[in-house]
Amino acid sequence: QKEVEQNSGPLSVPEGAIASLNCTYSDRGSQSFFWYRQYSGKSPELIMSIYSNGDKEDGRFTAQLNKASQYVSLLIRDSQPSDSATYLCAVNIWRIQGAQKLVFGQGTRLTINP
Amino acid sequence: EAGVAQSPRYKIIEKRQSVAFWCNPISGHATLYWYQQILGQGPKLLIQFQNNGVVDDSQLPKDRFSAERLKGVDSTLKIQPAKLEDSAVYLCASSPYTEAFFGQGTRLTVV
Repeated sequence: QKEVEQNSGPLSVPEGAIASLNCTYSDRGSQSFFWYRQYSGKSPELIMSIYSNGDKEDGRFTAQLNKASQYVSLLIRDSQPSDSATYLCAVNIWRIQGAQKLVFGQGTRLTINP
Repeated sequence: EAGVAQSPRYKIIEKRQSVAFWCNPISGHATLYWYQQILGQGPKLLIQFQNNGVVDDSQLPKDRFSAERLKGVDSTLKIQPAKLEDSAVYLCASSPYTEAFFGQGTRLTVV
């Protein structure tokens, strides 16, 4: 089982609609969860962090965390063509000997159609 | 606040040659990561430093890859000798605790 799993897509959403991106993780002890956006040819950019169960909203973005189900999601409301990118889910995984490592999923490629 | 600096941005080498990448993290960030990202995949952790000590290098191909972090600040990643499958983007990231911030990356092409 992969430590962090995402549907690689591609996911195609019409402009103005809600885009929903999902991620599952294997380590029940994980406490920190992140969404990064990566445009083609660019490096990942942190867009959301979430640490507690529930929803966290930032503008058009909402991150949702369910630790019992080991599930993280990102909702993008009123999707814009500029949201077209690959979205990477990242989770801090605890090592047996302590210290955390930041593990990424394979990314979901999102395309917003005008 | 200055971001993570990486150089070079691009590098093309022949197989069996050597190459080195440099990273300067955000000031004060204790954790430094090197990731390898192959086209169409998520970043794969190669090595993690906490200050100037190695925390995790379990996925670093140690027969050809090496890395060091000088005085707990700058870091270099070296490949010697390079193979065709090393063609990828090498990303450096730094973290004060949980969130990580990336540099622009170095795109390596091995021919």
